[in-house]
Amino acid sequence: DSGVTQTPKHLITATGQRVTLRCSPRSGDLSVYWYQQSLDQGLQFLIQYYNGEERAKGNILERFSAQQFPDLHSELNLSSLELGDSALYFCASSPRRQGRVYGYTFGSGTRLTVV
Amino acid sequence: AQSVTQLGSHVSVSEGALVLLRCNYSSSVPPYLFWYVQYPNQGLQLLLKYTSAATLVKGINGFEAEFKKSETSFHLTKPSAHMSDAAEYFCAVTFSGAGSYQLTFGKGTKLSVIP
Repeated sequence: DSGVTQTPKHLITATGQRVTLRCSPRSGDLSVYWYQQSLDQGLQFLIQYYNGEERAKGNILERFSAQQFPDLHSELNLSSLELGDSALYFCASSPRRQGRVYGYTFGSGTRLTVV
Repeated sequence: AQSVTQLGSHVSVSEGALVLLRCNYSSSVPPYLFWYVQYPNQGLQLLLKYTSAATLVKGINGFEAEFKKSETSFHLTKPSAHMSDAAEYFCAVTFSGAGSYQLTFGKGTKLSVIP
């Protein structure tokens, strides 16, 4: 157990729907990162939050949004879902704003299937 | 822009043989380099990281990697492969400049170990 908790583990939904993925970072970690893993694109950085504030944005679609709450858990909202959004979504956390020194700890992911 | 190239999407070795997984990076500023392992249906687990200290980095499960600035490489090695090493391995980079928060991953190398 890495200490980073992601729920749900699996999600199957129809095109056009909206889903919310949840991440609880490791105890004491202030930064949360979201990644998308697909066969064709590999691991793509989506967005980072640090202590409740957005810090960095990557290849995140406008249909996707995220937030980090005062208790430091984070949610990734995916709307108007398309077949191509099917992927593994990972959350990672690190103690500080910049994870490079302290490391990034990954959760086990949420597998999203859009049908 | 920073990037990582992993040579070989699939590597097969015999049990007991040397494991060599190649990673080359591109970064205009000093990099921080990581190797992660992903077992089937699991998240990413940190194997080792280079953060500008010793150039030879030892990680978990007998793996090590050497940072070679002149070759812009950070290859992962293990002297003797074990069946339990079969997994997908990802090299990742971030850098020390301002605004550097997220990891950029390579496409991954799937390691098969033949008994």
